[in-house]
Amino acid sequence: AQSVAQPEDQVNVAEGNPLTVKCTYSVSGNPYLFWYVQYPNRGLQFLLKYITGDNLVKGSYGFEAEFNKSQTSFHLKKPSALVSDSALYFCAVREANAGNMLTFGGGTRLMVKP
Amino acid sequence: NAGVTQTPKFRILKIGQSMTLQCTQDMNHNYMYWYRQDPGMGLKLIYYSVGAGITDKGEVPNGYNVSRSTTEDFPLRLELAAPSQTSVYFCASSYSGVSGELFFGEGSRLTVL
Repeated sequence: AQSVAQPEDQVNVAEGNPLTVKCTYSVSGNPYLFWYVQYPNRGLQFLLKYITGDNLVKGSYGFEAEFNKSQTSFHLKKPSALVSDSALYFCAVREANAGNMLTFGGGTRLMVKP
Repeated sequence: NAGVTQTPKFRILKIGQSMTLQCTQDMNHNYMYWYRQDPGMGLKLIYYSVGAGITDKGEVPNGYNVSRSTTEDFPLRLELAAPSQTSVYFCASSYSGVSGELFFGEGSRLTVL
């Protein structure tokens, strides 16, 4: 069975500082990994994904994520946080060749303070 | 493009009532999904569809039913509403069932009293 964990319920960072939102996953085979962002009272929006290839994936709004197979992690990063980045972030995993079910983590709330 | 449209945005039901959450997408996506979001629990898949006429259960299908008569529409039916079904429901669609990202609707907040 596939699973994903986001160990931090909330991450606090000052504006202009780098941010990291952590995600670890568990699958039997190769993973397809995704990050989504949710603003208040809105649906989730796609940020970036890792399917294959370069371990460093770049996405929307200056975010990037690094796939680390040995540590089974896919942490979301941004070099310089903005107050407008404050939102709820979800990591998700789907095992390649194992159907259509996408499993989401519990979410991490990012608070960027001026 | 409207993307994924859900109605209603808010609804209060009494225990035992039934209702249908509507979802339509204009992106010609074959894959459509219904998720529920509970606080601190992430999203749980209720049902999904890989094309018109084909539906399948997700992680938490009990108490729900779906149909997919057209590519555009994927309604979710709640029969005999229970307080445990109080949640925010999201419909989503994608062009690929495995590697494609999901496009989400704005959500439908349902309260069962």
